[in-house]
Amino acid sequence: KAGVTQTPRYLIKTRGQQVTLSCSPISGHRSVSWYQQTPGQGLQFLFEYFSETQRNKGNFPGRFSGRQFSNSRSEMNVSTLELGDSALYLCASSQQPLYGYTFGSGTRLTVV
Amino acid sequence: QQQVKQSPQSLIVQKGGISIINCAYENTAFDYFPWYQQFPGKGPALLIAIRPDVSEKKEGRFTISFNKSAKQFSLHIMDSQPGDSATYFCAASSASGTYKYIFGTGTRLKVLA
Repeated sequence: KAGVTQTPRYLIKTRGQQVTLSCSPISGHRSVSWYQQTPGQGLQFLFEYFSETQRNKGNFPGRFSGRQFSNSRSEMNVSTLELGDSALYLCASSQQPLYGYTFGSGTRLTVV
Repeated sequence: QQQVKQSPQSLIVQKGGISIINCAYENTAFDYFPWYQQFPGKGPALLIAIRPDVSEKKEGRFTISFNKSAKQFSLHIMDSQPGDSATYFCAASSASGTYKYIFGTGTRLKVLA
């Protein structure tokens, strides 16, 4: 059974640019969450989607947005990148919201 | 009230020893407490999880102890092995509408051979 797939694995962007990260959940999983991981702040919740609906959003600026498609695949977008956006972005999926999330290996974003 | 406090920040244990990591929370609405293990370059992997109606759960060498009145829970790794060397995160969540995990700050475990 394939795990959670995140693409790309690594990304280098310039300050001011925008970026789109992709997540393919485990087949059959309808709940998808995104987390930002940094050495200073740890794992911080970004958003949660279930059946294409965003049900919760973390305490991040409006530059961070996301969406979920009908096949449960999800994307997150960060506009006007700042140096502080450099982080590992993790996607997680679950059959039922909250219980037993499976994480992908993440996308390492570096903003220069 | 949304925080989960995790300690210690780092831990060194001899092979065969017991590793103990502690977490504390404030929000009594939390009703699901998972532990994740993360190796460098990988995403966190679910190890074991517990709900408040159970005081202890064991899976292989990993045991969660849960103290509802103290609002604390801990992970015990028995017979620790060098392959257990990783960062461990506790988390808490509530089914009542927030749909998110609150993670602890992580514990970097090193098991010496």
